[in-house]
Amino acid sequence: QSALTQPASVSGSPGQSITISCIGSSSDIGGYDFVSWFQQHPGKAPKLVIYDVDNRPSGVSNRFSGSKSGNTASLTISGLQAEDEADYYCNSFTTSNTHVFGSGTKVTVL
Amino acid sequence: EVQLVESGGGLVQPGGSLRLSCAASGFTFSNYWIHWVRQAPGKGPMWVSRIDGEGRTTDYADSVKGRFTVSRDNAKNTVHLQMNSLTAEDTAVYYCARDLRVANHWGLGTLVTVSS
Repeated sequence: QSALTQPASVSGSPGQSITISCIGSSSDIGGYDFVSWFQQHPGKAPKLVIYDVDNRPSGVSNRFSGSKSGNTASLTISGLQAEDEADYYCNSFTTSNTHVFGSGTKVTVL
Repeated sequence: EVQLVESGGGLVQPGGSLRLSCAASGFTFSNYWIHWVRQAPGKGPMWVSRIDGEGRTTDYADSVKGRFTVSRDNAKNTVHLQMNSLTAEDTAVYYCARDLRVANHWGLGTLVTVSS
């Protein structure tokens, strides 16, 4: 149950688009379309921004989008805003009937 | 309004035990999986355990299997996490969460510190 692999940090200027990758295996990301993405601000609980690979919960900005190809999932934030500065974590269901989180990506708005 | 409130955290010595609770309100409790997720200081979240709506199916991360037990009381809208043989590596904020997909909702967490 090793953590899914994410880049440690990604940065962009306001208005730009950024993409965060989440690399897993055929036992997790590649095996199911049950990939979620969570945003976490310091001292707060995580907040769901994408579920089931590419679905946005009610109330989440349409600037957030998700995708998957093989064993890699991606989160794209378009029109980057200052409020998007946070840590982002992917999560996948696994063939062991468990869940696994990604290692986390710190997004910095320049 | 959906609410999840964790309790039971605190300071415990290595080798000790602790029982966490997650009290839910604002939704039909028995319809949902409940997950426990922990986050060590300065680290990312780690999935710990889950229990289905009826309490019949439970799953655990390898690092806690055999030491942690999750259970639920649907009459009291509460989930418990019994944690035994605790080590310093179990020190974290423990969150309960409803679902990890479309119906996701998190509590505020309870801090567990394992130290002598």
